[in-house]
Amino acid sequence: EAGVTQFPSHSVIEKGQTVTLRCDPISGHDNLYWYRRVMGKEIKFLLHFVKESKQDESGMPNNRFLAERTGGTYSTLKVQPAELEDSGVYFCASSSGRWEQYFGPGTRLTVT
Amino acid sequence: KQEVTQIPAALSVPEGENLVLNCSFTDSAIYNLQWFRQDPGKGLTSLLLIQSSQREQTSGRLNASLDKSSGRSTLYIAASQPGDSATYLCAVLGGNNRLAFGKGNQVVVIP
Repeated sequence: EAGVTQFPSHSVIEKGQTVTLRCDPISGHDNLYWYRRVMGKEIKFLLHFVKESKQDESGMPNNRFLAERTGGTYSTLKVQPAELEDSGVYFCASSSGRWEQYFGPGTRLTVT
Repeated sequence: KQEVTQIPAALSVPEGENLVLNCSFTDSAIYNLQWFRQDPGKGLTSLLLIQSSQREQTSGRLNASLDKSSGRSTLYIAASQPGDSATYLCAVLGGNNRLAFGKGNQVVVIP
């Protein structure tokens, strides 16, 4: 069984540019989560999808961040325009109900 | 707001010693607690999940205990090996269905 995959593994962009991160959850997992770790801080929740619906997006930092989950399958997280403080590692996780969350390898975003 | 603390932040132990990693959380209303391992530049690997109704879980050399009422969990790694060197993260799942993480315990096992 394939795990959670994320693309790209690393992205370097300039301030003001746009970046789109992609996450493919484990097949059959209705729950999909985005988390972020910025330098020196703990991993923090961004948002939660149940199928294609946003269940909770209270962790999104501001309206420069937009997440979608098309047809309840893969998800994208777009940052537009990117700022320096958006640098960090973005993790995606999926689960079946309130059970174990399985994490992807993360996307390291560097904004210069 | 749930806060998760992991102590110590970093530790080094000689190979063969038992490792004891501590995690505390402020809100005892949790569904479960997960321990993860993270290697440098890699993702999170789930090690153990303890449901709120359980007291402990075991997998091989790993044992995790949970005392929900006091807001504590401990991860024991028996007979540590150099390959156990990594960062260990504790995370609790609350009623809001999101994981709250600690900053991690960075472990180095010295051969």
